[in-house]
Amino acid sequence: AQRVTQPEKLLSVFKGAPVELKCNYSYSGSPELFWYVQYSRQRLQLLLRHISRESIKGFTADLNKGETSFHLKKPFAQEEDSAMYYCALHQGAQKLVFGQGTRLTINP
Amino acid sequence: NAGVTQTPKFQVLKTGQSMTLQCAQDMNHNSMYWYRQDPGMGLRLIYYSASEGTTDKGEVPNGYNVSRLNKREFSLRLESAAPSQTSVYFCASSEWDRVSYEQYFGPGTRLTVT
Repeated sequence: AQRVTQPEKLLSVFKGAPVELKCNYSYSGSPELFWYVQYSRQRLQLLLRHISRESIKGFTADLNKGETSFHLKKPFAQEEDSAMYYCALHQGAQKLVFGQGTRLTINP
Repeated sequence: NAGVTQTPKFQVLKTGQSMTLQCAQDMNHNSMYWYRQDPGMGLRLIYYSASEGTTDKGEVPNGYNVSRLNKREFSLRLESAAPSQTSVYFCASSEWDRVSYEQYFGPGTRLTVT
């Protein structure tokens, strides 16, 4: 079964510290993975996708097929990074399966 | 462009009442989706529509029905609301953008069933 697991419901770090939000997936084919973010009082929106190999707002995520992971990283956290983050897997037919989400809080 | 719009923003229902959540998008997308968001469970797909005139069940379709009225609109109906349907409901739409499918989300409807 296709599944996305985000093991941390809550993550709290200090401003300026490195951040890593974990995401593991199970998928038999070639995975297509995304990170979506929901800032307070804003809509859920795409942050980045592995296929683009991009860095958005200082965040990067590398697909590790051996470990079936797609962890989201940022070297120096900022207060505006506080948000709910969802890892998502494209499961075909234009559908996504989402992880449980991680609420990230950046402390000043 | 308004993107994806949803009405209402908030709703309180009594058990057994019915209601329809409305969703519209102005991006000319073919695919539309309904999700529910519950604490600790992430977003779960209720129904989706790959194109006008087609709908398919997602992960948690029981207790819901949908209508793809036209390319723009995709409504979600609760025929007999239950407390277990208390949730935040999101509508989304997507289209191929030469890289992949990005889903665009509406602002959500917070539904409470008492």
